[in-house]
Amino acid sequence: DGGITQSPKYLFRKEGQNVTLSCEQNLNHDAMYWYRQDPGQGLRLIYYSQIVNDFQKGDIAEGYSVSREKKESFPLTVTSAQKNPTAFYLCASSSGTENSNQPQHFGDGTRLSIL
Amino acid sequence: AQKITQTQPGMFVQEKEAVTLDCTYDTSDQSYGLFWYKQPSSGEMIFLIYQGSYDEQNATEGRYSLNFQKARKSANLVISASQLGDSAMYFCAMREGWGTGRRALTFGSGTRLQVQP
Repeated sequence: DGGITQSPKYLFRKEGQNVTLSCEQNLNHDAMYWYRQDPGQGLRLIYYSQIVNDFQKGDIAEGYSVSREKKESFPLTVTSAQKNPTAFYLCASSSGTENSNQPQHFGDGTRLSIL
Repeated sequence: AQKITQTQPGMFVQEKEAVTLDCTYDTSDQSYGLFWYKQPSSGEMIFLIYQGSYDEQNATEGRYSLNFQKARKSANLVISASQLGDSAMYFCAMREGWGTGRRALTFGSGTRLQVQP
């Protein structure tokens, strides 16, 4: 079955440590996204990538970094510069043209906590 | 200013009744799209329904329909014949910026729906 796989499901970070969240999709989608969700809140865009080897900052990119070396993969690194990283992280992908009505498909998320 | 406003933090509905979840949006774009997603307690985001700004008919998908009032900038989700499994968070989202290459969504803060037996 096609879909988006995020790993790990739960992640703990020590102070001063960088951690990387994995996101892999086999839907052949060009665009991929990372969102952050805080308890009781909506999703906020961290980074997005419309095509391999290109990515753009979203609304809350500070303290995060990404890469897009392969179409299928869009890993997110939470750096030590992100002072409040505890949140639920969701990866998504979408297909179609720029004006498409195709929805974004989401992974099951990674819950990141500070030790 | 909030791009997407969901004014109902929580809603209750009796099983088998209909419920309307409110969503208003703010954009200066002529072309945009509106999406509704369901998020159960497990966390995954499930796409429910889409409405394009130029669609003349209100979107429908099974028990879900969208009451789209463009002049009022509202896109309310109507769930008919509620089921216990409909209990979840519901998010309204907008995709604007047609022509900019940005396909990301802007989300509202969500409405928690609880269906009571």
